[in-house]
Amino acid sequence: NAGVMQNPRHLVRRRGQEARLRCSPMKGHSHVYWYRQLPEEGLKFMVYLQKENIIDESGMPKERFSAEFPKEGPSILRIQQVVRGDSAAYFCASSLGTGLTYEQYFGPGTRLTVT
Amino acid sequence: AQTVTQSQPEMSVQEAETVTLSCTYDTSESDYYLFWYKQPPSRQMILVIRQEAYKQQNATENRFSVNFQKAAKSFSLKISDSQLGDAAMYFCARSPFGNEKLTFGTGTRLTIIP
Repeated sequence: NAGVMQNPRHLVRRRGQEARLRCSPMKGHSHVYWYRQLPEEGLKFMVYLQKENIIDESGMPKERFSAEFPKEGPSILRIQQVVRGDSAAYFCASSLGTGLTYEQYFGPGTRLTVT
Repeated sequence: AQTVTQSQPEMSVQEAETVTLSCTYDTSESDYYLFWYKQPPSRQMILVIRQEAYKQQNATENRFSVNFQKAAKSFSLKISDSQLGDAAMYFCARSPFGNEKLTFGTGTRLTIIP
């Protein structure tokens, strides 16, 4: 059973471009979470999605950032008009459900560099 | 704000010795979950151990155990018989009872001295 897949692993964008980060959850997992890790910091929650629904986006910046988890295909985190402060590692996690027995499994992350 | 604080940015321990990493947190909830995650140089987040706040018994996973003090809002990680492969960043985290949204501390970098 493959783990959580994220691509690309590294992404370089110039200021003003768009970044699209993809996350394929583990097989059978319908819950997806996105976290951002700035250099030398812990992960910060951004958004929690279930299939076709955003459940909690309290950690998502109000502008330029959006996330989706369609019925078919991977979850996408989209950052429009990137700025240097968006440079970070973006981690996706997935779980079978909620509750302590449902561990969040993390992907390897996408490192975004904005030049 | 519901915060998680790790006051030790760096720790080191001799191989085969025991080390304890500290974590305190702030919450207004009575039920919640606590976690320790390991992030080796590969940056992959790996769950080490987890604790349900309503359980008084401290969780144990092989060489890893926790000291959970609910009243003090403290959740320390003890690593026994430290091994070279334990070298990593360790993050303490908490989540609401539904385990949907993890709040992480800033991490402790653990170095193992051969």
